[in-house]
Order: sequence, then structure tokens, then C-alpha cells
Amino acid sequence: GENVEQHPSTLSVQEGDSAVIKCTYSDSASNYFPWYKQELGKRPQLIIDIRSNVGEKKDQRIAVTLNKTAKHFSLHITETQPEDSAVYFCAASKRFGNEKLTFGTGTRLTIIP
Amino acid sequence: ETGVTQSPTHLIKTRGQQVTLRCSSQSGHNTVSWYQQALGQGPQFIFQYYREEENGRGNFPPRFSGLQFPNYSSELNVNALELDDSALYLCASSTGSGLGLSGYTFGSGTRLTVV
Repeated sequence: GENVEQHPSTLSVQEGDSAVIKCTYSDSASNYFPWYKQELGKRPQLIIDIRSNVGEKKDQRIAVTLNKTAKHFSLHITETQPEDSAVYFCAASKRFGNEKLTFGTGTRLTIIP
Repeated sequence: ETGVTQSPTHLIKTRGQQVTLRCSSQSGHNTVSWYQQALGQGPQFIFQYYREEENGRGNFPPRFSGLQFPNYSSELNVNALELDDSALYLCASSTGSGLGLSGYTFGSGTRLTVV
């Protein structure tokens, strides 16, 4: 089955700097790669996603890149703000829609004011 | 509000007991998936229901079972509770067919503690 590895497990950056979180996956059949943000005690919330026919996607300060050949994808957050502090999870799925998600182990991002 | 509601929000059970968790899917969604999130870990797929039928299962023993009802709401049942079952149980709804194809919307979860 699919295996998703995520690094780093913790990340601290100064407010205003950029943060990068990286994930690799094992199943070449995976085609959909969402990123979730989870604040303490709350539900995971989708912040951005990318499908395999796209190499990069951007939404304001957040961007995701995908390298299907190398089977890795990354989350980039620019101009970080204190409210970006949370745990971020990457995930992979064979299909957008009702296919199961395989999650990474999470990255705890702390923004230092 | 996302439209996916779970109940109860918190629950404490004794080892060996049985528990039922409930989930109401977002309007228009016909698929419900259940995930277990242990402390400090990513969510792990338990199983999925699509139009009242189980549509995939993760690596969980048979004492984890579920149901989906005609209104697409769902239940997760866990028998013979073990201490390791303590976790946040997340329900997610989605639509897997037609033009309304959508990604997941997660509920807020049920925090289960087994003592």
C-alpha cells in the first residue's frame, strides 16, 4: 500500500520568513496530494491541494510543488505569520473524490514572533 | 461551519466495553470515511462507506465496524475496547461521483479515552 513520509517533524521559523515542508510517497498510482492544517484540538482543514497533471499551485502565501518522477511534493509558506503555527499534514490518494487518503506523520510548525 | 457533525465530542470508556460514534455528512455528500488519529500521529484510514456499502477498509481488526444510513449519515462501532483505541476519531464526507466530485470535509472528531 501507499506510504507517505513527511519531514521535518518540527519546524521553527521567524515571523516573516518562509517555511518548507516536504513529503515523499511510494505508490506511483497516487494522483491527488492535499495538505491539511490542524490546530490544537480542531479538525484538519484543507489548505491547498494539487493533482498529478499540475507541477505547481499557488494560493496567496501558500504554494505546493509536485515532482511525480521523484515522487515528492512540498508545501511552501511565505511571509509566515503567528497564525500559521499549527500541525501540517500531507496526504496522498489515487483519486480526488472518495478515494482514501494516506497521511504523513505531520510537521509541527512554530512561528516565532 | 463545515456541515460535518460528529457526536459525542468526548467519551470515556472502560477497557472491554463497546462504543458507537456518529457522523452526519455534509449536505450533498454520499461518501463517509472514518479515520483514527492517535496523539501526535497522522490520521489512519479505518474504512469508507459509499451509498450504504463498505467501500474500502484499512488495517483495522473486525471489532471496528460501521454502518451508513440512507441519509448518508454513519456510525463507527468498536467492540472489546483496548487502551490503544484511545484516539481522536475523525469522520470525513465527500462525493465520489458525478459533477459534484469533491474532496474531503472533516468533522471535528470524537475524542475517545479508554481507561
